[in-house]
Amino acid sequence: AQSVTQLDSQVPVFEEAPVELRCNYSSSVSVYLFWYVQYPNQGLQLLLKYLSGSTLVKGINGFEAEFNKSQTSFHLRKPSVHISDTAEYFCAVSSFSGGYNKLIFGAGTRLAVHP
Amino acid sequence: EAGVTQFPSHSVIEKGQTVTLRCDPISGHDNLYWYRRVMGKEIKFLLHFVKESKQDESGMPNNRFLAERTGGTYSTLKVQPAELEDSGVYFCASSQGLRARSIFRQTNEKLFFGSGTQLSVL
Repeated sequence: AQSVTQLDSQVPVFEEAPVELRCNYSSSVSVYLFWYVQYPNQGLQLLLKYLSGSTLVKGINGFEAEFNKSQTSFHLRKPSVHISDTAEYFCAVSSFSGGYNKLIFGAGTRLAVHP
Repeated sequence: EAGVTQFPSHSVIEKGQTVTLRCDPISGHDNLYWYRRVMGKEIKFLLHFVKESKQDESGMPNNRFLAERTGGTYSTLKVQPAELEDSGVYFCASSQGLRARSIFRQTNEKLFFGSGTQLSVL
């Protein structure tokens, strides 16, 4: 069965500093990986996804993530964060069953960007 | 285009009472998912509708939870009777397409989430 571990529940960082949010997954089959963001009082929005091909995936708002199969990781990075990046970030892996799939999420990482 | 709408945004009830959550997916979306997040923990899958049929309800916690999707449009999730451990945020999501696998293979397909219902059982 697939599972996702987000190693940090909270990450404080100063504005314009780089940030990395860590995500490890477990799966016995090929995976599709995702990062979602939830801003206060809003639904989850897709930041980026890895389906196949290049292991470096670029998403919205300057975020990128790198798929590392040997380390079963999909860490999210941004070289310079803004106050507006303050949100909760969720890593997810797809799980196939009966021809359909669903997302398996991690516990989330709260990113707090300080001036 | 309207997004996924959930109602109510917040609900506070007492243990033993009944609560019904509603989700209106994006018009034309066949796939509808319910997820739940208990405070500080992962967002957990509850069930998946394809049109009006339950495709996968493996995540439903117990028989106090009943989900329906009348006519393949909006969906309701009823909790009866509610217990303290049912507190959390209930998310609904929808996607287009007959088979959910396709939404992950096609770069222009994705899940659209509602803003959730915060349920507090006291």
